[in-house]
Amino acid sequence: GNSVTQMEGPVTLSEEAFLTINCTYTATGYPSLFWYVQYPGEGLQLLLKATKADDKGSNKGFEATYRKETTSFHLEKGSVQVSDSAVYFCALRWGGYNKLIFGAGTRLAVHP
Amino acid sequence: EAGVAQSPRYKIIEKRQSVAFWCNPISGHATLYWYQQILGQGPKLLIQFQNNGVVDDSQLPKDRFSAERLKGVDSTLKIQPAKLEDSAVYLCASSLAGGDSTEAFFGQGTRLTVV
Repeated sequence: GNSVTQMEGPVTLSEEAFLTINCTYTATGYPSLFWYVQYPGEGLQLLLKATKADDKGSNKGFEATYRKETTSFHLEKGSVQVSDSAVYFCALRWGGYNKLIFGAGTRLAVHP
Repeated sequence: EAGVAQSPRYKIIEKRQSVAFWCNPISGHATLYWYQQILGQGPKLLIQFQNNGVVDDSQLPKDRFSAERLKGVDSTLKIQPAKLEDSAVYLCASSLAGGDSTEAFFGQGTRLTVV
């Protein structure tokens, strides 16, 4: 069946470091891909999305490119801030009823 | 625009008791999801509704969990009887039906502790 695999955390970085969080997926058909973020004490919120191959989603300095050939949707940011500390979830949506499943999440901790 | 509303925010019950969670989705959203998020894990889809019909409940433990969405608007998720391993955050989300760009919006969740 369809699934999402994320790199395990926690990821610990210094402020202004480069961030990559890997996400790969298994899916039939043509899914849409998402990154959601969960800040401490808050609910899940959409960070960015891509709906077809080669699309690049971007928001708040984060980017991810939908790579069909490698079935990947890695999240990147050129310079992280302490305020980026959160748990990041890669998600996959497919089908006429918009089924939506998540990876296990990757915790990011950024220190000054 | 009002977001997805869930209640209660927190609940502590003893094992073998029953509990119910309520969700009011964003107005006009036909699709409603219930997820279970155990500490340290990603959200696991329990059940998905399209209007008042179930489109996926393959991971719902039907011997103890039930959900309904009468009139295709708000929804309740019930656990009876609860087990210790049901301790988790229960998330409700909603989205418009169809379309590649539709986004799922999440509520704050209900944190359940079973003791």
